[in-house]
Amino acid sequence: TQLLEQSPQFLSIQEGENLTVYCNSSSVFSSLQWYRQEPGEGPVLLVTVVTGGEVKKLKRLTFQFGDARKDSSLHITAAQPGDTGLYLCADRMGAGNMLTFGGGTRLMVKP
Amino acid sequence: GAVVSQHPSRVICKSGTSVKIECRSLDFQATTMFWYRQFPKQSLMLMATSNEGSKATYEQGVEKDKFLINHASLTLSTLTVTSAHPEDSSFYICSARDGRGLYYEQYFGPGTRLTVT
Repeated sequence: TQLLEQSPQFLSIQEGENLTVYCNSSSVFSSLQWYRQEPGEGPVLLVTVVTGGEVKKLKRLTFQFGDARKDSSLHITAAQPGDTGLYLCADRMGAGNMLTFGGGTRLMVKP
Repeated sequence: GAVVSQHPSRVICKSGTSVKIECRSLDFQATTMFWYRQFPKQSLMLMATSNEGSKATYEQGVEKDKFLINHASLTLSTLTVTSAHPEDSSFYICSARDGRGLYYEQYFGPGTRLTVT
């Protein structure tokens, strides 16, 4: 059974600061997806990464995929209160392409 | 594109009654939908996989007679919580897999907050 570990579990920072959160897998990812979930809402897909060493940018968010495809990081530059939420990494698994989620990193950006 | 809706967004019901939650893919057809449950400050836990025209596949520990899933069309799946109890109170989220996507991305509904009194 694949296990996804995210760190840190909680992060509280001031507006304007930079931060990095991590996702590590016990096995090689099929395709890693990052989601952000705001309170009372469903998760929103941010990015899908597939190739080892891949780097993708989404405005102030930078996603890196490890060369061995077992780890990933999400870096946010100049965080804003609107970045507050639960950040989840997930991998597809099985013939049904189900998603298995990490435990999430809960980010709070204070104005 | 890739919008998924859920209805209702919030529901309060009495213990012993049944509640139906609808999940719709609005701009794409979804042969597969998924139902998740999320407790406060926790991640999502997959309950079942719903396949259009066939029986749902339930994860271990999820009672199929309590959580009835019907995927009657390519755009609609329903979850019925039968004989609800207070411990069934939770945030229920559906997702739909977009087969058009290269990596079969899942798109999530906004969730349904169920409170059983």
